[in-house]
Amino acid sequence: KAGVTQTPRYLIKTRGQQVTLSCSPISGHRSVSWYQQTPGQGLQFLFEYFSETQRNKGNFPGRFSGRQFSNSRSEMNVSTLELGDSALYLCASSSTSGSPWRPDTQYFGPGTRLTVL
Amino acid sequence: LAKTTQPISMDSYEGQEVNITCSHNNIATNDYITWYQQFPSQGPRFIIQGYKTKVTNEVASLFIPADRKSSTLSLPRVSLSDTAVYYCLVGDKNTGNQFYFGTGTSLTVIP
Repeated sequence: KAGVTQTPRYLIKTRGQQVTLSCSPISGHRSVSWYQQTPGQGLQFLFEYFSETQRNKGNFPGRFSGRQFSNSRSEMNVSTLELGDSALYLCASSSTSGSPWRPDTQYFGPGTRLTVL
Repeated sequence: LAKTTQPISMDSYEGQEVNITCSHNNIATNDYITWYQQFPSQGPRFIIQGYKTKVTNEVASLFIPADRKSSTLSLPRVSLSDTAVYYCLVGDKNTGNQFYFGTGTSLTVIP
């Protein structure tokens, strides 16, 4: 099975612009989660989508948004970019076929490295 | 959210057994404990998951005492390639806790 893929791998933007990142989950996986990783803040959860609905959300401002399509592919959008948005953005997918009380394994993609100038 | 506390960093020599402990004092009854490993510039990778007592796979062992307020990830005979950040997560699908990775433990294996 192909792993989680993310595009683009690298991106350079300037302050005030917006950006859209894409994630294709492992075939058959219906849950997609997004994370931001920076040296100072570590790995922080943005949101999770399942069957085209946002199911969980972290503590990020409304400039960060996402969506999921019927084929489970997901996109993340950041509007009005700030210097502090420079980070590695990771996407993870899981099958959600496990028991309700037991988290499924998350499979991560290679990430998109966003640099805001 | 069930909060986890881990040492920020650890050093170990090659060939030694490494034990990384995670504290989770307010773990809920249904919460499972999951450990991930992350190499630089890569996404985290699942290592092991458990609920109580001991779980072992081909990579590591996970020890969970009866009160479940802590857990210990044990890596047998580490090699240089085990240098990575290790994250302990406590979470239940129903609460969404499984998405909170914390700061992790940076393990450096020394030759």
